[in-house]
Amino acid sequence: DAGVIQSPRHEVTEMGQEVTLRCKPISGHNSLFWYRQTMMRGLELLIYFNNNVPIDDSGMPEDRFSAKMPNASFSTLKIQPSEPRDSAVYFCASSRLGDTQYFGPGTRLTVL
Amino acid sequence: GIQVEQSPPDLILQEGANSTLRCNFSDSVNNLQWFHQNPWGQLINLFYIPSGTKQNGRLSATTVATERYSLLYISSSQTTDSGVYFCAVIRNAGNNRKLIWGLGTSLAVNP
Repeated sequence: DAGVIQSPRHEVTEMGQEVTLRCKPISGHNSLFWYRQTMMRGLELLIYFNNNVPIDDSGMPEDRFSAKMPNASFSTLKIQPSEPRDSAVYFCASSRLGDTQYFGPGTRLTVL
Repeated sequence: GIQVEQSPPDLILQEGANSTLRCNFSDSVNNLQWFHQNPWGQLINLFYIPSGTKQNGRLSATTVATERYSLLYISSSQTTDSGVYFCAVIRNAGNNRKLIWGLGTSLAVNP
């Protein structure tokens, strides 16, 4: 089993640029989660999907953030325009409904 | 909302020592997980344990759902056990899938 796959692993960009983070969940998992982790705020849930449908996006910080899940095997988190305060590690996780969540390796984003 | 409290916040051990980490939660839950975040940032699922006891090698966990706490036991600790241990729960409410996280216990195991 390949586990949750995220790309890129590291991203350095300049303020104002668009950033797209990608996630492939574990095959057969129905739920997908996007988290952000910073020293100041710890782990925050941004949004999660059940069966490709967004269920709770209350953690999305503002309109600059958007997430999509066009099919069961792919999701994107987009930041446009990016700001230095968006610098963080972004994790994707997946699970079967109600079961254990498995995390990807994360994308370390630095916005200069 | 549900509160998740972990203790101790920090722990330093000598290699070979045993330890117990605690997680208290303020409401009934239908999902409780323990995670280890290693020094490289990887979040690794240790246990899915909404109730009962499980063991995996030197690690074991017990959740007493009626008393709203869970314990993670680490025996014969090794330097590779260093990192942050998180407890996370899902409140027992319908189709809710949102994990609520504790602040973690930061463990350092010295050789």
